[in-house]
Amino acid sequence: EVRLVESGGGLMRPGRSLRLSCEFSGFTFEDYPINWVRQTPGKGLEWIGFIRGPAYGDSTKYAPSLSGRVSISGDDSQTTAYLQINRLRIEDTGVYFCVRDGSGGSSSGPWFDPWGQGVRVIVSS
Amino acid sequence: DIQMTQSPSSLSAFVGDRVTITCRASLSVNGYLNWYQHKPGEAPKLLIYAASSLQRGVPSRFSGSGSKTDFTLSISGLQPEDFATYFCQQSYRTPFTFGQGTKLEIK
Repeated sequence: EVRLVESGGGLMRPGRSLRLSCEFSGFTFEDYPINWVRQTPGKGLEWIGFIRGPAYGDSTKYAPSLSGRVSISGDDSQTTAYLQINRLRIEDTGVYFCVRDGSGGSSSGPWFDPWGQGVRVIVSS
Repeated sequence: DIQMTQSPSSLSAFVGDRVTITCRASLSVNGYLNWYQHKPGEAPKLLIYAASSLQRGVPSRFSGSGSKTDFTLSISGLQPEDFATYFCQQSYRTPFTFGQGTKLEIK
């Protein structure tokens, strides 16, 4: 069974850094990139970025609106991906989802499947 | 960024009805269009990928169509479990972008 579970959310102060974890199972990081998506009151669903596996040099790509403040990484065990957001802002408040690119490299993709349950982040002073 | 605009933003229907949700892209996305269903407290669920391909396990009452900039999601014979929010998403070009959502409610 393919599964993704996020953790690390909670109440955060503006200006601090946040690191979310995504533990996944049932597939290999090599074949299915991991994306992060968030749902915020201000912008709705917003794609944050993705990471590809070691065969692609753990390459990453980010939404330009967040580039410079976010970083996505993976661990050597290839079972966990991370999202770090620096210099947190009030508008970063929302639910953060870890999502697999379910296309497996299909030329018709990518598409997001499945999604994790999400983790809530509240940025407030 | 490619802007995705859904209509309507909300919709009321009876069980058994057929409904259609529209998604328009600000430029052609060449069929790289996906649809998701989201219920409160649950993970979003992929329904349709590549504009018209039904994801495995999704009931056949869901269907997608369209090309270039205009796409539709149709649900025929609405079931109680279909009342949820639906999102379109383009995966043609990064940053991947979503529509604002269509909330489908029971009439």
